[in-house]
Amino acid sequence: DARVTQTPRHKVTEMGQEVTMRCQPILGHNTVFWYRQTMMQGLELLAYFRNRAPLDDSGMPKDRFSAEMPDATLATLKIQPSEPRDSAVYFCASGPSGTQYFGPGTRLLVL
Amino acid sequence: DAKTTQPNSMESNEEEPVHLPCNHSTISGTDYIHWYRQLPSQGPEYVIHGLTSNVNNRMASLAIAEDRKSSTLILHRATLRDAAVYYCILRDRKGGSNFGNEKLTFGTGTRLTIIP
Repeated sequence: DARVTQTPRHKVTEMGQEVTMRCQPILGHNTVFWYRQTMMQGLELLAYFRNRAPLDDSGMPKDRFSAEMPDATLATLKIQPSEPRDSAVYFCASGPSGTQYFGPGTRLLVL
Repeated sequence: DAKTTQPNSMESNEEEPVHLPCNHSTISGTDYIHWYRQLPSQGPEYVIHGLTSNVNNRMASLAIAEDRKSSTLILHRATLRDAAVYYCILRDRKGGSNFGNEKLTFGTGTRLTIIP
């Protein structure tokens, strides 16, 4: 089964440090999404790309978050500087046409 | 975005059918009805989707009311592995790309507990 992969699976860091999360979408999928999940806010869409071009990043705090797709096999989400309120599970998803396939997530804890 | 309403939680006995309801009284004619589920400590997983007609796949069935203002996800024989949060989501097939609006807005879903 083709799957979305995410690294790292867990990350503990200190406030102020840079965090980079990586996602490998399913080969052939041209749409990639980044979500964040917390107990308080649930699942929130941060950004999404189609054919590697950013289409919507309105859910993302612009001052500290950035999302890119350097190539079709890699999507990255960076937080710089990280803050304790960024602690959450970050999911990447990819899709061919309206259906999304999610990765296992990166569990981030910012101390 | 059109809104959906689901019960916060449901329980069902193992090996019995489960009917998970979803109300979407403000659904528009261009909205698909999607269901996803999220097992503990995992990412959400696509279950099924439909527009007007009932749909079946290997995981579940989707029954859509004739006026489309409600739908029901049916798990025919629940197992312990089906314990999860189930999300009912409307996705507009217009706008965005040729595939419609690809964004999904997740609500709080229904937490399904399976009793052995």
